[in-house]
Amino acid sequence: GQQVMQIPQYQHVQEGEDFTTYCNSSTTLSNIQWYKQRPGGHPVFLIQLVKSGEVKKQKRLTFQFGEAKKNSSLHITATQTTDVGTYFCAGPNPRSGGSNYKLTFGKGTLLTVNP
Amino acid sequence: DAGVIQSPRHEVTEMGQEVTLRCKPISGHNSLFWYRQTMMRGLELLIYFNNNVPIDDSGMPEDRFSAKMPNASFSTLKIQPSEPRDSAVYFCASSPQFGTDHSNQPQHFGDGTRLSIL
Repeated sequence: GQQVMQIPQYQHVQEGEDFTTYCNSSTTLSNIQWYKQRPGGHPVFLIQLVKSGEVKKQKRLTFQFGEAKKNSSLHITATQTTDVGTYFCAGPNPRSGGSNYKLTFGKGTLLTVNP
Repeated sequence: DAGVIQSPRHEVTEMGQEVTLRCKPISGHNSLFWYRQTMMRGLELLIYFNNNVPIDDSGMPEDRFSAKMPNASFSTLKIQPSEPRDSAVYFCASSPQFGTDHSNQPQHFGDGTRLSIL
């Protein structure tokens, strides 16, 4: 079945350093979504990428979708303590049927920031 | 607007007992998803509904788990009998209907139910 892998599993940085998490799929994706989960919280949708090679920015966060649509990355510039949490990528499973494809989530990257 | 509402927030019970988790999706959302999150296995989709109809229950671990969606504003996930290995955080999420051919609708998660089976 479809697999979505994320690396690294954990990342600890000093406040102000940059951070990148990578997501790789075993199959070509029609789109990819990114979520953030704060400690003790629930996943919150950040963004969706659809086009090959797409790059989107949200303030200090930059999201990229690979040309082959099998990988994606999230880069945070100059991390802040508010960036702490687990970042998940999720890709749709085209065999799921229905009007919304079910998502396969990666295991996530836990980011901790030392102030 | 109210988000996805789950109850209870925490549940502690002894093995063998029946557990019922409840979810109220966002009004107007047609898709509802039940997930289980553990450190070992991450976020796993258990079942999802579209227009109150179960579409894919391949993630349901075994017959002890069952889910229903009797109407557009309510769903339950039941475990009977419960076992210690069922301990996890269970999330319900909902999304509007109809992604396009290439895009999905974002999923909106509830606060989750933290379940501990002793």
